[in-house]
Amino acid sequence: DTGVSQDPRHKITKRGQNVTFRCDPISEHNRLYWYRQTLGQGPEFLTYFQNEAQLEKSRLLSDRFSAERPKGSFSTLEIQRTEQGDSAMYLCASSFQPGQGIYEQYFGPGTRLTVT
Amino acid sequence: AQKVTQAQTEISVVEKEDVTLDCVYETRDTTYYLFWYKQPPSGELVFLIRRNSFDEQNEISGRYSWNFQKSTSSFNFTITASQVVDSAVYFCALSGEDSSYKLIFGSGTRLLVRP
Repeated sequence: DTGVSQDPRHKITKRGQNVTFRCDPISEHNRLYWYRQTLGQGPEFLTYFQNEAQLEKSRLLSDRFSAERPKGSFSTLEIQRTEQGDSAMYLCASSFQPGQGIYEQYFGPGTRLTVT
Repeated sequence: AQKVTQAQTEISVVEKEDVTLDCVYETRDTTYYLFWYKQPPSGELVFLIRRNSFDEQNEISGRYSWNFQKSTSSFNFTITASQVVDSAVYFCALSGEDSSYKLIFGSGTRLLVRP
């Protein structure tokens, strides 16, 4: 039984570099979410996909951030020209939404990004 | 706007004590869902419970119990006979139509259970 997986688990990069993170959701889940968590805070929503369609982006997601979910399977989150303020834990979650109602999201282990 | 408040930043108890974690929420939705997640030191968020706004029955699962009161907009979590393995950060979260079904998290309560 595989849960949500994320790669890499840790990433250290220099300011100005581009980074890309990958998330593999639970296979039958049609929704995929990205959150960001900084130290001592709860996760904050960044964006989500219903199958391959990106349905909402938070105002936290600047133009330097882009996310994709080709074919409605795995997703990537890219940050261009990283800044020190981007240092955080990036969490991916997935859920199965058969219709109305809201179902629990299952989280991956996260990717911890450190920008030096 | 939707908001979740967890006023207790950190709680420390001795093993076997009971402990209650508070959660207060704000929403304009008539239909909404409340969640609790556990984040152990390993970092991965673990789903504990989902409750919809039409179901005010309290729930018990082993040593865990949840008290949902719409009148006070609260969804409190009690651990009975706490154990060291319960040490973690616990997050309360809210979701509804107003938030496009994304989770709005509180800032979390760090629970330390001492042997």
